[in-house]
Amino acid sequence: GEDVEQSLFLSVREGDSSVINCTYTDSSSTYLYWYKQEPGAGLQLLTYIFSNMDMKQDQRLTVLLNKKDKHLSLRIADTQTGDSAIYFCAESINSGAGSYQLTFGKGTKLSVIP
Amino acid sequence: DGGITQSPKYLFRKEGQNVTLSCEQNLNHDAMYWYRQDPGQGLRLIYYSQIVNDFQKGDIAEGYSVSREKKESFPLTVTSAQKNPTAFYLCASSTFGQRFQPQHFGDGTRLSIL
Repeated sequence: GEDVEQSLFLSVREGDSSVINCTYTDSSSTYLYWYKQEPGAGLQLLTYIFSNMDMKQDQRLTVLLNKKDKHLSLRIADTQTGDSAIYFCAESINSGAGSYQLTFGKGTKLSVIP
Repeated sequence: DGGITQSPKYLFRKEGQNVTLSCEQNLNHDAMYWYRQDPGQGLRLIYYSQIVNDFQKGDIAEGYSVSREKKESFPLTVTSAQKNPTAFYLCASSTFGQRFQPQHFGDGTRLSIL
């Protein structure tokens, strides 16, 4: 079965870079997503990468994908206090008949120290 | 603005009572989902629906029921059979039939037991 793993906590100083790591198990994943959840709110789509890419950059965010090792990372440059949140990695798997289900990791809580 | 609206934001249930959580979307999405979030557990899929008048059980459907009478609406009922209903409930929606199919989330309903 599918399983997505993330470390539960990360603490960084304001202005440093944050790197959040994720491993997944299903090699047939199509898209991989990063979501951000602020306290008491829903999940907000941050960025995504297609499985035939190895890197995607979007302003302060860089996504790296190592398909051989099934390893995904999210780097946040110049981390700000507003980046404090829980970050979820999710893999998209074709479950048949046009349906692509998402499997989420348990989330990494990022704490930014001023 | 298009989006997903969940109501109420907070809900309290008495022992033996059924309660219904509302989820409405105006994104014209075919698929809708309900997740349960417990601290440190990530998101667990309760039910999902890919088309009106059809829905499937997710990983933790016991003690819950849903209906999908309209494309825009996917209410979740937490029945008295659900013995541990205290959690944060998230509704999501997505397109259907495409490889790129990110889910868009509402702001959640927090359910507590009185």
